[in-house]
Amino acid sequence: AQSVTQLGSHVSVSEGALVLLRCNYSSSVPPYLFWYVQYPNQGLQLLLKYTSAATLVKGINGFEAEFKKSETSFHLTKPSAHMSDAAEYFCAVSASRYNTDKLIFGTGTRLQVFP
Amino acid sequence: SAVISQKPSRDICQRGTSLTIQCQVDSQVTMMFWYRQQPGQSLTLIATANQGSEATYESGFVIDKFPISRPNLTFSTLTVSNMSPEDSSIYLCSVGSNVGTGVYGYTFGSGTRLTVV
Repeated sequence: AQSVTQLGSHVSVSEGALVLLRCNYSSSVPPYLFWYVQYPNQGLQLLLKYTSAATLVKGINGFEAEFKKSETSFHLTKPSAHMSDAAEYFCAVSASRYNTDKLIFGTGTRLQVFP
Repeated sequence: SAVISQKPSRDICQRGTSLTIQCQVDSQVTMMFWYRQQPGQSLTLIATANQGSEATYESGFVIDKFPISRPNLTFSTLTVSNMSPEDSSIYLCSVGSNVGTGVYGYTFGSGTRLTVV
């Protein structure tokens, strides 16, 4: 069975500050991990995906995430927050590299960015 | 990556009625996934739809309430039947696709925002 846990339903940062959104996973098989972003009243957009090729994954909009097997974590970071980063962020896990298996989502973290 | 056209984008429905949501993909895909996102919550998988076979439903979801059709490799519908206010949610379809340079991700439709009154 697979699951992801996102620590912190709300995170607030100042513009220009470091963004850190936490995600821990549980998986009985090698996991494929994702971060998605959902802007208000919009669908989901893929930020990045871990495929086992590299532990540090760079995504769009300056975001990156590091896979740490020893900590079963896949935290999302961005060095400098921008106002446009305010959104809901979801961590998700799949057992399939080719996406023939379902995605299991975390509960989400709402990021607020203050000027 | 695949492009999904989902409609309607939103609807307000009377309780006891049914709504059918459509998803059209611009390429052939084996599996399509239907999710529900209740207000302020995360996404929960309703079912997985393969072409030519019955959909596979997750625990807590039944075919009588959420019948799914998958007539070909580019199209699927989800019906929300006998609706009640508790069905007010965003419903999203998703497919697995190549999002670039051999990286496979899941692409989502823009969602259907359903309000049941």
